[in-house]
Amino acid sequence: ILNVEQSPQSLHVQEGDSTNFTCSFPSSNFYALHWYRWETAKSPEALFVMTLNGDEKKKGRISATLNTKEGYSYLYIKGSQPEDSATYLCAPNAGGTSYGKLTFGQGTILTVHP
Amino acid sequence: GAGVSQSPSNKVTEKGKDVELRCDPISGHTALYWYRQSLGQGLEFLIYFQGNSAPDKSGLPSDRFSAERTGGSVSTLTIQRTQQEDSAVYLCASSLQGAPEEQYFGPGTRLTVT
Repeated sequence: ILNVEQSPQSLHVQEGDSTNFTCSFPSSNFYALHWYRWETAKSPEALFVMTLNGDEKKKGRISATLNTKEGYSYLYIKGSQPEDSATYLCAPNAGGTSYGKLTFGQGTILTVHP
Repeated sequence: GAGVSQSPSNKVTEKGKDVELRCDPISGHTALYWYRQSLGQGLEFLIYFQGNSAPDKSGLPSDRFSAERTGGSVSTLTIQRTQQEDSAVYLCASSLQGAPEEQYFGPGTRLTVT
């Protein structure tokens, strides 16, 4: 069973602020790391899938980095907007026979105040 | 194009009854996943289908839970002799080729066992 920790648990920021969250996961047997955004009353939406140590990915104002050696990923949001308010989930894939299984963290709940 | 669909959207059942939850993945997606979110808990992996391979059932919580995927498309999650602890939102997701690709989630089925 993978131990996935996300911090902070929740975050309140003002519109225009930049922010970042952390996802920690076991560095052994790593296969891939997923980030999802889950808005209230909607389905989780994929943001990034990262596989290589040192990977950096960007989608608009959101970017993510990956360190597989030490087992962490950062998600950054630049110039937060109210529509960014959501729960941000990370989920590593382990390798081997569990490569199809995502283990989700508890998420970081982001609230962006206008 | 059409996304992942799930039915029913809500299901209320009495303890001890059997229920079937349906998932229609995106056309052409070879991989299909089931997850659930119980109240106050994170997303929990249940089962993963990839093409014609044997499914990864490692997340099914008990032998009352089973799932099948017919013709490589539609999937049904069956819960026999439902218990109150089975109350949760059951989410289905699909991906084009399987892990580690990004997953597309359906709207979920909210199951309430009374």
